[in-house]
Amino acid sequence: QVQLQQWGAGLLKPSETLSLTCAVYGGSFSGYYYSWIRRPPGKGLEWIGEINHSDNTNYNPSLNPSLKSRVTISVDTSRNQFSLSLTSVTAADAAFYYCARGGVADRLALWGQGTLVTVSS
Amino acid sequence: DIVMTQSPDSLAVSLGERATINCKSSQSVLVRSNSQNYLAWYQQKPGQPPKLLIYWASIRESGVPDRFSGSGSGTDFTLTISSLQAEDVAIYYCQQYYSAPPLTFGQGTRLEIK
Repeated sequence: QVQLQQWGAGLLKPSETLSLTCAVYGGSFSGYYYSWIRRPPGKGLEWIGEINHSDNTNYNPSLNPSLKSRVTISVDTSRNQFSLSLTSVTAADAAFYYCARGGVADRLALWGQGTLVTVSS
Repeated sequence: DIVMTQSPDSLAVSLGERATINCKSSQSVLVRSNSQNYLAWYQQKPGQPPKLLIYWASIRESGVPDRFSGSGSGTDFTLTISSLQAEDVAIYYCQQYYSAPPLTFGQGTRLEIK
């Protein structure tokens, strides 16, 4: 049974870098896109972007420009993992962050357990 | 972007009664070449990630109880829970996964027991 497990630091100081990794266990890594989604407190779900095993990425073109310039999604096919990096975090970046299998033209069928990211000095 | 609008924002239904959530997209998510609506429904309970319930607008994900059903086409969609159970209390989201970025979600509908 395919599972996604994510990890990364949940408490950051302003200006630090958010780094989250998601590992895919129990199934084929190739043949899918993998997405990062976040949910700020009291708000809805926001798709950040996606990547596949060939390192093809798509980012949400409608992200706030200040966010878009700080986000990088990467892949490590040798470990069946993909990652999210968000530099120079502020309080506005506090949210639950989720990884998921799927993306554009494909449902988000499987999700990681989520990581609550808090930004505080 | 395709804007997804759900109604209502919140809903209280008695146990055993029917719950209906609507979702409208700002443009059609029907791909005529394969006759598929690129529309999914998710359920999110507190402290848990979203869970896929329905995809292609009406296909129930494996393991999802048959009291959950999806319908609609083009721009108007509905999620129906035929007989509400206590464990169905959650926030429900519709989402389009049409051909180009970005994926977008509805704002969510909070379902409670009356």
